[in-house]
Amino acid sequence: AQSVTQLGSHVSVSEGALVLLRCNYSSSVPPYLFWYVQYPNQGLQLLLKYTSAATLVKGINGFEAEFKKSETSFHLTKPSAHMSDAAEYFCAVSDRRGATNKLIFGTGTLLAVQP
Amino acid sequence: KAGVTQTPRYLIKTRGQQVTLSCSPISGHRSVSWYQQTPGQGLQFLFEYFSETQRNKGNFPGRFSGRQFSNSRSEMNVSTLELGDSALYLCASSSSTSGGLTGELFFGEGSRLTVL
Repeated sequence: AQSVTQLGSHVSVSEGALVLLRCNYSSSVPPYLFWYVQYPNQGLQLLLKYTSAATLVKGINGFEAEFKKSETSFHLTKPSAHMSDAAEYFCAVSDRRGATNKLIFGTGTLLAVQP
Repeated sequence: KAGVTQTPRYLIKTRGQQVTLSCSPISGHRSVSWYQQTPGQGLQFLFEYFSETQRNKGNFPGRFSGRQFSNSRSEMNVSTLELGDSALYLCASSSSTSGGLTGELFFGEGSRLTVL
C-alpha cells in the first residue's frame, strides 16, 4: 500500500530563513508525488508535482522539491521564507497504476513564519 | 475560468439527519473526487467519479454515497449523521481522461459540516 509520512507537524522559521518540509513515501511502484498548500478556511492548492520527469521540480511561489529514490523522499524547500508562506502543507502520493485520481495525503505540516 | 464551487459552505445538522453536498467542477473537467478532512484523521479519500461512473471508493461506511450527473456536477450524501461526521468535505476536479491521473486536482473551498 502507498503512504506518505511528513516529519514534523509544526515547523517555525524566521522570515528570510530557509524552509524545509520533509516528506517520505512508500510505494511499490514509481509514484507520482505532490505538494499541496492549504490556507485557513480554503481548499488545497497544488504547489508542485513529480511525475517521473526531472527529479528537481520547481513550483509556484518559489518552492521546489527533489525526488530522491534512494531515500524515498520528496522534501519541499524554499530559500527564503515570506510571511505569506504561513499555511499548512500536505505531501501526497498517487498510484500510477489504473485509472484513478485518488491521492493519499500525509498528515500535514503547519508552517509558521516569525517576523 | 471559474474554479470548483461547493455548496453550501457551512451547515449544521443534528445526529440522525442526512445531508447533501454539491460540487460544480471546473468547466470541461469530467473527474470529480471527494475528500473528508478532520483534525484527527486528516485528509481521507471518499470516492471518485468519472463520466457519471464511480471508479474508486475509499474506506467509508455505506452511509456515505455520491453521484455524478451528465454535466459533471457531483453530489455526496451522508445519511444518519453521527457526531464523527463533522468535518470539512472537499471536492476536487481534474481534466483526467479515462486513462487516469493528469497530475493535478483542483480543489474547492469545501463544505464545513457540524453535527450536533
